[in-house]
Amino acid sequence: DADVTQTPRNRITKTGKRIMLECSQTKGHDRMYWYRQDPGLGLRLIYYSFDVKDINKGEISDGYSVSRQAQAKFSLSLESAIPNQTALYFCATSEGRSQETQYFGPGTRLLVL
Amino acid sequence: KNQVEQSPQSLIILEGKNCTLQCNYTVSPFSNLRWYKQDTGRGPVSLTIMTFSENTKSNGRYTATLDADTKQSSLHITASQLSDSASYICVVTPLGGGGYNKLIFGAGTRLAVHP
Repeated sequence: DADVTQTPRNRITKTGKRIMLECSQTKGHDRMYWYRQDPGLGLRLIYYSFDVKDINKGEISDGYSVSRQAQAKFSLSLESAIPNQTALYFCATSEGRSQETQYFGPGTRLLVL
Repeated sequence: KNQVEQSPQSLIILEGKNCTLQCNYTVSPFSNLRWYKQDTGRGPVSLTIMTFSENTKSNGRYTATLDADTKQSSLHITASQLSDSASYICVVTPLGGGGYNKLIFGAGTRLAVHP
């Protein structure tokens, strides 16, 4: 969805390096999410934020941190990357209403060597 | 434990044929069940949404059904097209417990439509 953009789209890094993935949205949504997708597994929630001052851990937050710089920007950091963090990472947004739809960005493919 | 399982894992069909994808879930109670389509290199896009009280929902050639008694959902694709080649993901939203109810994602079914 062009309304949700992620940078970079692809990244190769080495074990121990710090890396930041960025997400921007023009949908005006308050809620933003970071997921990772691994082959054979469903998407898993890393962190979510319901507004600039509200950050919450998801089911797999260890080894990750986030920053909500503005309503439209939500970044994910890997403080010290490790190979098992190799995955496809998705940012998503939603309005915050009941039965809300989450709108996903195009994803960032990360390879940790 | 809340789980969503999809079958088959992958499927190949010829253009123009119909197919049905399955989703079994253990999430209970639940608020709604969605089917998402994920094209290669893209993020998932919502196709249909059904609340626990709905039995069927259509979106063009896509028809989703829900049987809350057996905890099963299916996605039927009619007259398949090459553009239907994608992964289809079943997603269930739990209900209750207070706070934010995290979505439960299936691993998806990878569909390939061949000419």
